[in-house]
Amino acid sequence: DAGVTQSPTHLIKTRGQQVTLRCSPKSGHDTVSWYQQALGQGPQFIFQYYEEEERQRGNFPDRFSGHQFPNYSSELNVNALLLGDSALYLCASSFLPGQGSPYEQYFGPGTRLTVT
Amino acid sequence: GNSVTQMEGPVTLSEEAFLTINCTYTATGYPSLFWYVQYPGEGLQLLLKATKADDKGSNKGFEATYRKETTSFHLEKGSVQVSDSAVYFCALRDNAGKSTFGDGTTLTVKP
Repeated sequence: DAGVTQSPTHLIKTRGQQVTLRCSPKSGHDTVSWYQQALGQGPQFIFQYYEEEERQRGNFPDRFSGHQFPNYSSELNVNALLLGDSALYLCASSFLPGQGSPYEQYFGPGTRLTVT
Repeated sequence: GNSVTQMEGPVTLSEEAFLTINCTYTATGYPSLFWYVQYPGEGLQLLLKATKADDKGSNKGFEATYRKETTSFHLEKGSVQVSDSAVYFCALRDNAGKSTFGDGTTLTVKP
């Protein structure tokens, strides 16, 4: 059983550019959450998708947007990149709370984004 | 909003020493609590969890008990190994499914 997969592994972009990160959830999971982990810090919640809709959002600007596809995979898009967007972006999948085993999130290995 | 406060690191121990990493939280309702471990260059791995007050999560010799009265979820291990060297994150997940993490504690175990 494949776990959560993310692509690409590493990415280097220039300020002002746009980037798209991809995530495939663990088999059977229908909910995908995205996190930003700056160096030396804990992950910060960006947003969560279920049934192709954004259910919750953390304190991130509108430059951060996402999408979930019918097969539950997801994309994170960041526009107008800033140096401060350099971080490890983590995707996590789970069941929607209230269904199945709601307590556990499984994390992917992350995408390391460097903005120069 | 929800918050998680972890013991600051780094923590350096000798092999077979006793480990405690403190974690306290602030949340409304009844969150689930977790410890995750992160090895260099990797994502987060779930180490253990507890979903209600007085639950004890355990895995690979690590333990943590959900203490609602003190809003704590301290991580312990009786005898650490070099292979336990990693960054440990305490986290809570609220009923809506949103997770909040602490800033992490770096553990180094020396032979």
